[in-house]
Formats: sequence, C-alpha cells, structure tokens
Amino acid sequence: DAKTTQPPSMDCAEGRAANLPCNHSTISGNEYVYWYRQIHSQGPQYIIHGLKNNETNEMASLIITEDRKSSTLILPHATLRDTAVYYCIVIGSYNTDKLIFGTGTRLQVFP
Amino acid sequence: SAVISQKPSRDICQRGTSLTIQCQVDSQVTMMFWYRQQPGQSLTLIATANQGSEATYESGFVIDKFPISRPNLTFSTLTVSNMSPEDSSIYLCSVSLQQGRAEAFFGQGTRLTVV
Repeated sequence: DAKTTQPPSMDCAEGRAANLPCNHSTISGNEYVYWYRQIHSQGPQYIIHGLKNNETNEMASLIITEDRKSSTLILPHATLRDTAVYYCIVIGSYNTDKLIFGTGTRLQVFP
Repeated sequence: SAVISQKPSRDICQRGTSLTIQCQVDSQVTMMFWYRQQPGQSLTLIATANQGSEATYESGFVIDKFPISRPNLTFSTLTVSNMSPEDSSIYLCSVSLQQGRAEAFFGQGTRLTVV
C-alpha cells in the first residue's frame, strides 16, 4: 500500500471549515483513500473513502486531486467534538481490509 | 454497522503474568483484527484473527507472546503473555463487515498497565 504524509497538527476555529491534507504520491490505480479519526480515549471511527471521484457524506467531504497524488478531508463546520487525530490511509481492494495507520494529523478545534 | 464489546476495559497487571482480552461482536463478521496503541503513538496491527485457523501475525509479533483465538464469527481473544512494562498499551479489536472493504469498526479498547 502507498505511504501517506500528513501534517502532524492543525488548528481550526469552531464553525469554520477544517481542511486536512494528505499526500499519497505513490498511490496506484486500484488503491483507495480512506479517512479515519480517533477521538481521545476512543477507538478509531471510519469517516469516508474514495477512489478518484470526490465524495461527500453526513460527516465530511473528500476531495481527491485529478492525478490522485493527494487528497483533502473537509469538515465543513468544525465543532469542538471534531477535535481528534485524523488518519489518511491508502489501501488496495486486494489487501483484505488490513488498515496500516500512519501518524495522522492532530486537529484541535478551538472556541 | 457493528457493535464491539471489549473486556476488560482496563487492567493493571503484575509483570510476568498474562492477561486475556475478549472481543465480542453483535453480528457475524468475516475479518477481525487486533491492534496495539502504545502511549502517544499511532495504532500498530498485531494480527488478523482467522476463524478456525491460526492467526496471521504482522512482523514483530509472535504467537508465543500474543496468542489469539477465534472460535466463531463473533468472538475473539487476545492474550498478552509474560507481560513486561513495555506491554503497557491500549489493545483494540477491529472488525470488517465485508471482505475487500476497509470500513472497519473498532472496540473502545483495553487499557493495560503493567507494573
């Protein structure tokens, strides 16, 4: 699976959009981009995933660049409860669901 | 979705002893995994728990230290054997409802402290 690079930390004001970048320049054609988050003292939570098209669900939007070398997770109106570590993971459909977590981005939402 | 119950939620153990952690899922699942999260660190995959056969361990993890059982499609155990303070971590169970889709669900974890 391709390696990902994320900034170690970010801040965001409550109510504003949080844009979390992820670089995955070695991604191959059959690999998906998955996003998870881990709120303090909880297990990770699935957020969203995509292959090449932009995706949106009730939690977030995922924007994948045309060359698929990077992506951005967007929380449109961040709340204090969105404070967490966010993990971008690239995984191939052949890899039977083994998630390999990197170091992630620690997002702090402040009032 | 899936609801995962892990027991115990936390424990303090003496070095040299063993602890067995249980993971119970509210539905039958194909894939079950065990992760370790050391203090301040990200998650590291220990092994895939295979139903009816030996677990598949990741590099750096061995069966003698982390024996795993999976007697059916809803239950698994992880034992941390002959514990040392370096084993102090959060241990998490994870399941995937459909093979080939990485939308996993995680338990709340077991916080282990070895003294």
